[in-house]
Amino acid sequence: QKEVEQNSGPLSVPEGAIASLNCTYSDRGSQSFFWYRQYSGKSPELIMFIYSNGDKEDGRFTAQLNKASQYVSLLIRDSQPSDSATYLCALSGNTPLVFGKGTRLSVIA
Amino acid sequence: DVKVTQSSRYLVKRTGEKVFLECVQDMDHENMFWYRQDPGLGLRLIYFSYDVKMKEKGDIPEGYSVSREKKERFSLILESASTNQTSMYLCASSFIAFSYNSPLHFGNGTRLTVT
Repeated sequence: QKEVEQNSGPLSVPEGAIASLNCTYSDRGSQSFFWYRQYSGKSPELIMFIYSNGDKEDGRFTAQLNKASQYVSLLIRDSQPSDSATYLCALSGNTPLVFGKGTRLSVIA
Repeated sequence: DVKVTQSSRYLVKRTGEKVFLECVQDMDHENMFWYRQDPGLGLRLIYFSYDVKMKEKGDIPEGYSVSREKKERFSLILESASTNQTSMYLCASSFIAFSYNSPLHFGNGTRLTVT
């Protein structure tokens, strides 16, 4: 069984700061890594995916993957109150997506 | 944009009832999935399907079955609803046939309460 670990939070950051969300995983065979954002009472929405080691940037979001250390992170630059949500890390390889339990982010205005 | 539509946003059913949760996607995606989400337990996979008439068990299939008669429609069936099946149910689809590595697109969810 794959394990996907995330700090449940809440992670509180001031508006305009960088929020750093981390995820570690147990299965070295994992190939694809995803970050989803979920607002309270809503379904998860895809933010980014990353397949290769290194950084991938999309607007204010950067995903970082280090397969040797088995972690993937999400950086949110210039955090806004609208970024306050739960962020889910998910990964797949030879099985369907397995999700972490999420980190709750609170951006304080 | 991908649209995954779940037929009900909220459902209240009685213990022992047979419950059908319907999901339709409009982007010709090959793969469809049913997850449930519970506080403290996260998202857990119930069943998935890579093709019409084909189904595979996920991590928690007990008490559930599924039907995929048409490519765009994937139904979750609770054979005899129990209170421990009270949960948020999320349907999702993904594009690449027989691949686990494409992103999932979720429907809006069905919050089921079994009394």
